[in-house]
Amino acid sequence: DIQMTQSPSSLSASVGDRLTITCRASQDIRNDLGWYQQKPGKAPKRLIYAAFSLQSGVPSRFSGSGSGTEFTLTISSLQPEDFATYYCLQHNGDPPTFGQGTKLEI
Amino acid sequence: EVQLVESGGGLVQPGGSLRLSCEASGFTFSSYWMHWVRQAPGKGLVWVSRINGDGSSALYGDSMKGRITTSRDNAKNRLYLQMSSLRVEDTALYYCVRGDRFDFWGQGTLVSVSS
Repeated sequence: DIQMTQSPSSLSASVGDRLTITCRASQDIRNDLGWYQQKPGKAPKRLIYAAFSLQSGVPSRFSGSGSGTEFTLTISSLQPEDFATYYCLQHNGDPPTFGQGTKLEI
Repeated sequence: EVQLVESGGGLVQPGGSLRLSCEASGFTFSSYWMHWVRQAPGKGLVWVSRINGDGSSALYGDSMKGRITTSRDNAKNRLYLQMSSLRVEDTALYYCVRGDRFDFWGQGTLVSVSS
């Protein structure tokens, strides 16, 4: 199985901060990676697909980069509604695997 | 508008069985792979299973392999997860998810396994 190592596991930040979350794959997954945001009691929502493509309707302060084994999600200027848990997901190899999650707190 | 609505969750005793259903609308259901993903309380996301568009091929994760069957009825736009020999550790919110890129998620149905 492809292991996805996501860091950090939690992060304290403030409104207006710029932050980056990283996912490392245990083998080359090309750009077959998505980023998801999950708020308490809600289903995950896709933010980024194909490593860097912004999902329709998602604010442009979210961006993704990377290819191969290292990927990042960047939020350029944190807004109050961005405090949530974020996951990466690789779908290049079977089984699909998620990162452990990053909980973003104030 | 794409909609995925899961149902069939509930409280079941260890060793019991349950069948989850996911009703899809707003897209051509048969054109998409579909997945089940679960999330135990306070934990992360775990992929459970996948089925291809015509239902001829399914893949299962190690967490529930041998105890689950994923199927679909494209005429009814429904995805199913038949679960048996349920364990306490299977307690989770079960989501159905669309497509090979996991683009759209239902709201989930809660399965609680407890005596």
